[in-house]
Amino acid sequence: DGGITQSPKYLFRKEGQNVTLSCEQNLNHDAMYWYRQDPGQGLRLIYYSQIVNDFQKGDIAEGYSVSREKKESFPLTVTSAQKNPTAFYLCASSQRESNTEAFFGQGTRLTVV
Amino acid sequence: LAKTTQPISMDSYEGQEVNITCSHNNIATNDYITWYQQFPSQGPRFIIQGYKTKVTNEVASLFIPADRKSSTLSLPRVSLSDTAVYYCLGASGTYKYIFGTGTRLKVLA
Repeated sequence: DGGITQSPKYLFRKEGQNVTLSCEQNLNHDAMYWYRQDPGQGLRLIYYSQIVNDFQKGDIAEGYSVSREKKESFPLTVTSAQKNPTAFYLCASSQRESNTEAFFGQGTRLTVV
Repeated sequence: LAKTTQPISMDSYEGQEVNITCSHNNIATNDYITWYQQFPSQGPRFIIQGYKTKVTNEVASLFIPADRKSSTLSLPRVSLSDTAVYYCLGASGTYKYIFGTGTRLKVLA
């Protein structure tokens, strides 16, 4: 089945630690995205990548880092610089053409303990 | 990218038709209007997309008037399983999907 997979589903982190969230897609999409969602809120864009080895900051990139070494993979690292990392993180992918559908993963719920 | 405005929440009863309107006053010529549905603790799912007039698929209809400053998502005969958050997006060729706070639809028995 083609799709987009995020892992793990739940993640716990101690304060001061970096943690990496995985996102893999087998849809042959060029573009990939990371969003953060807080309770009762909409999705906010963290980073996006239109092509391998290239990525752009979204609206709330501070405290996060990404890499795009392979077309299929777009991992997100939540660093210790992110002051309020507890949230629901969603990864998405799409074709590069405009006005195309974005496909989302099932999300990773990160909790700082 | 078009800034969109939607009602924060709506209630409906099973079997009714639900219409959710989205305002996008500054929509650009190349912008399409797209709607997504999100259930709790899941990623959003594409519902429907349109440019003007009316688009219909197996799930919903989308009405966009001639001036394209608003759009209406119509869900026929909703069921309890349609309880979700619905997002209206205006986007063109920038590859950035910008989500607002959405409309929280609650379907009552």
